[in-house]
Amino acid sequence: GAVVSQHPSRVICKSGTSVKIECRSLDFQATTMFWYRQFPKQSLMLMATSNEGSKATYEQGVEKDKFLINHASLTLSTLTVTSAHPEDSSFYICSATGTGGGFSYNEQFFGPGTRLTVL
Amino acid sequence: SQELEQSPQSLIVQEGKNLTINCTSSKTLYGLYWYKQKYGEGLIFLMMLQKGGEEKSHEKITAKLDEKKQQSSLHITASQPSHAGIYLCGADKIGGAQKLVFGQGTRLTINP
Repeated sequence: GAVVSQHPSRVICKSGTSVKIECRSLDFQATTMFWYRQFPKQSLMLMATSNEGSKATYEQGVEKDKFLINHASLTLSTLTVTSAHPEDSSFYICSATGTGGGFSYNEQFFGPGTRLTVL
Repeated sequence: SQELEQSPQSLIVQEGKNLTINCTSSKTLYGLYWYKQKYGEGLIFLMMLQKGGEEKSHEKITAKLDEKKQQSSLHITASQPSHAGIYLCGADKIGGAQKLVFGQGTRLTINP
């Protein structure tokens, strides 16, 4: 149980285009999903927290107009990188926390990640 | 700000040898998590520690949280090629409502 998927796993796009990444909780309901970015040989940096049915909260330094987050249902959150540029190339990972019995308060389940390359 | 410092940053070990990875916090830890990541993949949860002095084991991996709750160590006994990867410690962000902060990771290579 507690599986999180991401789609696509890898995407290459031209500079200036927008890219949408999906994060799904497959067998549980996730009220909160987190989006992280990881540059090569660096740790995960939290970008934003997404709560179902409300606006995402962004970490300091993350442009909310560039990284659009939508959490329309309890199993799906999307991250759209708008007008992508080469410096946006990175590994994007989402995580989700479950609700109800059987889940610890802060137990996060991570997706497999999406590698974005902007040419 | 709350920071986690991992050491060493990289480690090359002969198969069968023991090894230890450390994670030190600038502030008291209220929840400390160890994850393993293979390059280009997501994170695999290993263990969570909350109480000072707590120690947990899973197969050949043991994690400890010191009494002051500012340092954790991950110890692997008789390392195997399957242990290779990046080990990340994460901690509950103080006042962060389920947010986690991560150390920079330790890249472990196991030589046959």
